[in-house]
Amino acid sequence: GENVEQHPSTLSVQEGDSAVIKCTYSDSASNYFPWYKQELGKGPQLIIDIRSNVGEKKDQRIAVTLNKTAKHFSLHITETQPEDSAVYFCAASMNTGNQFYFGTGTSLTVIP
Amino acid sequence: KAGVTQTPRYLIKTRGQQVTLSCSPISGHRSVSWYQQTPGQGLQFLFEYFSETQRNKGNFPGRFSGRQFSNSRSEMNVSTLELGDSALYLCASTPSFTQWFFGPGTRLTVL
Repeated sequence: GENVEQHPSTLSVQEGDSAVIKCTYSDSASNYFPWYKQELGKGPQLIIDIRSNVGEKKDQRIAVTLNKTAKHFSLHITETQPEDSAVYFCAASMNTGNQFYFGTGTSLTVIP
Repeated sequence: KAGVTQTPRYLIKTRGQQVTLSCSPISGHRSVSWYQQTPGQGLQFLFEYFSETQRNKGNFPGRFSGRQFSNSRSEMNVSTLELGDSALYLCASTPSFTQWFFGPGTRLTVL
């Protein structure tokens, strides 16, 4: 089955700096890659997603890039704010109707 | 629009008991998936339902089961609870297999 690896497991940045989280996947059939943000006591919240026919997608301060050849995708958060502090999960699936394979999560702390 | 709702939010059971968790998807969403989240194993897929039919099942023992009703609401059941079943159980729904939206989860503690 699919195997998704995520790095780093923890990340601390100063407010206003950028944060980058990287994920790799093993199955070339995967074609949908969402990113979720999970705050304490809450369920994962979809923040951005990308499909395999697109190399990059941006939504305000958040962007995701995908390299299909290398089988890796990354989350970029610019101008970080304290409210960005949370655990971020990447995921991969063969299409949006199938199960997600999640990365192990990155705990992001934004220091004011 | 209300989000995915899960009940109860917290549950404490003892080993050997069974438990039923409930999920109400976002209005208009017809597909529901369930995931187990633990510190050691992360987020793992349990099963997915569409129009009352289980379409996909993860690698969990038969003690884990679920169903979906005609109004798209879903339940999952765990029988003969084990200590290792302690976890956050998450339900997610999608309107048409585009984006999936998660509920807040049910925190199950098995003593």
